Amino acid sequence: EDKVVQSPLSLVVHEGDTVTLNCSYEVTNFRSLLWYKQEKKAPTFLFMLTSSGIEKKSGRLSSILDKKELFSILNITATQTGDSAVYLCAVSQGGSEKLVFGKGTKLTVNP
Amino acid sequence: GAVVSQHPSWVICKSGTSVKIECRSLDFQATTMFWYRQFPKQSLMLMATSNEGSKATYEQGVEKDKFLINHASLTLSTLTVTSAHPEDSSFYICSARVPGGTLVEQYFGPGTRLTVT
Repeated sequence: EDKVVQSPLSLVVHEGDTVTLNCSYEVTNFRSLLWYKQEKKAPTFLFMLTSSGIEKKSGRLSSILDKKELFSILNITATQTGDSAVYLCAVSQGGSEKLVFGKGTKLTVNP
Repeated sequence: GAVVSQHPSWVICKSGTSVKIECRSLDFQATTMFWYRQFPKQSLMLMATSNEGSKATYEQGVEKDKFLINHASLTLSTLTVTSAHPEDSSFYICSARVPGGTLVEQYFGPGTRLTVT
């Protein structure tokens, strides 16, 4: 059965801290891995990763994929209260538009 | 950027009644839309893929006669929960794929919270 596992499930940090969110997967015919940020409502797209070892970066957020070990990490540096959200990891498979989501990591950044 | 809207944002209905949820792509035409369900503290689960002008493709375990999907135009897909029961109470989210975008890059609507009493 295809599955995506995120850890930790929840995390509480102080502003300015750096956090690392983890996503491991076991799917057939892997194509790409996506990260989303969900603040109460609709998930918003952050990154899509298809190749191992190539870091994607957007401001204080960065992500990298390891296709050999079947995992990805999402790093957030100098966290701010606005980073508080649920971060979702999803995996796509070849020949399908379907996304398989993990349960998410709930990040809380306290001032 | 691509904007997807949903209506209503929340709805309460009595057991046995039907509820329709609309998903619209506001500034682009979406040939493919997706319907997800999310229970509290659970992941987004794909229910069905909706293609304009054709029948929806349902995921295993999703009753197509209970969750009716219509994608009659390039900007609108609807999900109707028929004969709703309390266990159907959930957060329903649609997404749409931007034409010309990557195959899996989807933009999500704000979701509809359904409560069945």
